[in-house]
Amino acid sequence: DIQMTQSPSTLSASVGDRVTITCRASQSISSWLAWYQQKPGKAPKLLIYKASNLESGVPSGFSGSGTGTEFTLTISSLQPDDFATYYCQQYNSYPLTFGGGTKVEIK
Amino acid sequence: EVQLVESGGGLVQPGGSLRLSCAASGFTFSSYSMNWVRQAPGKGLEWVSYISSSSKTIYYADSVKGRFTISRDNAKNSLYLQMNSLRAEDTAVYYCARAASGYYLVDYWGQGTLVTVSS
Repeated sequence: DIQMTQSPSTLSASVGDRVTITCRASQSISSWLAWYQQKPGKAPKLLIYKASNLESGVPSGFSGSGTGTEFTLTISSLQPDDFATYYCQQYNSYPLTFGGGTKVEIK
Repeated sequence: EVQLVESGGGLVQPGGSLRLSCAASGFTFSSYSMNWVRQAPGKGLEWVSYISSSSKTIYYADSVKGRFTISRDNAKNSLYLQMNSLRAEDTAVYYCARAASGYYLVDYWGQGTLVTVSS
């Protein structure tokens, strides 16, 4: 199984900050990586697919990069609605595996 | 609009059984592969099971293999998860999730249904 390691697990930031979350795969997954946002009590929402493609309707302040085993999610200027937990997920092969999550908190 | 609505969750004793359902609408259900993904209280996401559009290909996580069975009824636009021999560690919100056409990418999620395994 492909292991996904996310860092940091918690991030404290202020509105307007630039935020970067890292995800590492235990083996190459090419660009088959997605990022999801989850708010308390809600289902995850797809933000980024194929490492760097923005899902329709997602604000342009979100961006993704990387290939192979190292990936990043960047929020260029943190907005109040962006405080949530973010998960990376590889979909190169089954079993699908997720990172442990990064909770973005208000500083 | 894509909609996935889960039902069937509840409280069950260890060793018991439960059947989850997911009603799909807003897309051609028979053309899409589907997944179940779960999330234990306060924990991260765990993929549980996958079924292809025709039901020919099925995968399970090792943690549920031999106890859970995924199935679908394309005529009823419905996805199912039969869960047997339930354990405390199966306690979670279970999400029905669509796989994007031609990919393993999960693009839409239902709102989830809570399964609690406790005596």
